[in-house]
Amino acid sequence: AQRVTQPEKLLSVFKGAPVELKCNYSYSGSPELFWYVQYSRQRLQLLLRHISRESIKGFTADLNKGETSFHLKKPFAQEEDSAMYYCALKSAGGTSYGKLTFGQGTILTVHP
Amino acid sequence: ETGVTQSPTHLIKTRGQQVTLRCSSQSGHNTVSWYQQALGQGPQFIFQYYREEENGRGNFPPRFSGLQFPNYSSELNVNALELDDSALYLCASSSWGRRAGNTDTQYFGPGTRLTVL
Repeated sequence: AQRVTQPEKLLSVFKGAPVELKCNYSYSGSPELFWYVQYSRQRLQLLLRHISRESIKGFTADLNKGETSFHLKKPFAQEEDSAMYYCALKSAGGTSYGKLTFGQGTILTVHP
Repeated sequence: ETGVTQSPTHLIKTRGQQVTLRCSSQSGHNTVSWYQQALGQGPQFIFQYYREEENGRGNFPPRFSGLQFPNYSSELNVNALELDDSALYLCASSSWGRRAGNTDTQYFGPGTRLTVL
């Protein structure tokens, strides 16, 4: 069974500090991984996906198949980055094609 | 481009009742997925609809059912409501085709907050 684990429920950093939100997964096939973000009173929205290998709002995430991880990183956190972050894995086959499995989420707070 | 919309925003029901939640998919999308998000948890996949048929289901009992209409909008129906059904129900739409593979992003609606008393 596929699983996504975000070990930190809460993460606090100061503005300008580096931030890393951890995500580990288990999946028997070739994973497709995402980071979604939910700002206060807004809907869940896509932040980035591993196949795009892009940087969004200064965030990057590298898929490490050896360590089964997809950690989200930003070198200099900003106050506006404060939000709930979810790591998600998409099923690529079987009866759950397209299913997203989410982690529990990490609340990031960036202090001024 | 119109985003995903859901109705109603909030709903209060009592145990044993039935509820229908509605979702309009984003323009150009043909697939709708439903998720349940309990307080403090990540969203959990309920099922997905493609071409008006259920295309995958998570670990939810049969009293959770759905429909997709020709315009790709969708309904989630829950019968015999239980207290544990209280949650935020999220709808997500995407554009999916077997040839392209399942690589398209799911875009989420604002959710319907269901409270069961």
